Amino acid sequence: DTAVSQTPKYLVTQMGNDKSIKCEQNLGHDTMYWYKQDSKKFLKIMFSYNNKELIINETVPNRFSPKSPDKAHLNLHINSLELGDSAVYFCASSLQGQRGEKLFFGSGTQLSVL
Amino acid sequence: GENVEQHPSTLSVQEGDSAVIKCTYSDSASNYFPWYKQELGKRPQLIIDIRSNVGEKKDQRIAVTLNKTAKHFSLHITETQPEDSAVYFCAIRKAAGNKLTFGGGTRVLVKP
Repeated sequence: DTAVSQTPKYLVTQMGNDKSIKCEQNLGHDTMYWYKQDSKKFLKIMFSYNNKELIINETVPNRFSPKSPDKAHLNLHINSLELGDSAVYFCASSLQGQRGEKLFFGSGTQLSVL
Repeated sequence: GENVEQHPSTLSVQEGDSAVIKCTYSDSASNYFPWYKQELGKRPQLIIDIRSNVGEKKDQRIAVTLNKTAKHFSLHITETQPEDSAVYFCAIRKAAGNKLTFGGGTRVLVKP
């Protein structure tokens, strides 16, 4: 009954490959996010979707493409992986509006690009 | 744009002592100030939050204070215990939009 679940938990791949991370939430939230946490633990927002619509798109390379088939799912596809993409990627969800600022994070996907 | 500075980056305290982490921000439109705790290898989790119309909030051993004039807010942990060892993140959110901007994190180590 995990609230925000993302897969896979670990992802080890070679430079140049394409990979996807999937995220699903069963909290009934309308907003989902992707955050990147680098080796220094800095948490930086990448994307946010509200009801399948992209509302936040930070300065992220075009190789990263989010997709939200419905408001319970937000996937992240990464093309042509680079060494610098190695990080932990966290999916999160919340309810939009003042009552819903609390972010619920998934358990993270540790991506290692070799 | 939003910017939040968090200090210190590391904090080592003796069990039973207090720990204080401070964050300063630049955007006066910020109106929501949460704190997240991330244990080693785990996901960040909200531990306490405060809105701009409140100056202080307490929840057992943790408290957050907000000084809107000076644009800073702080997390206070009293009677620290080994299980308080974690990375703590402050964050801010503007009145409009849902984007949370996080501080750089503080690694807290409570020594038994």
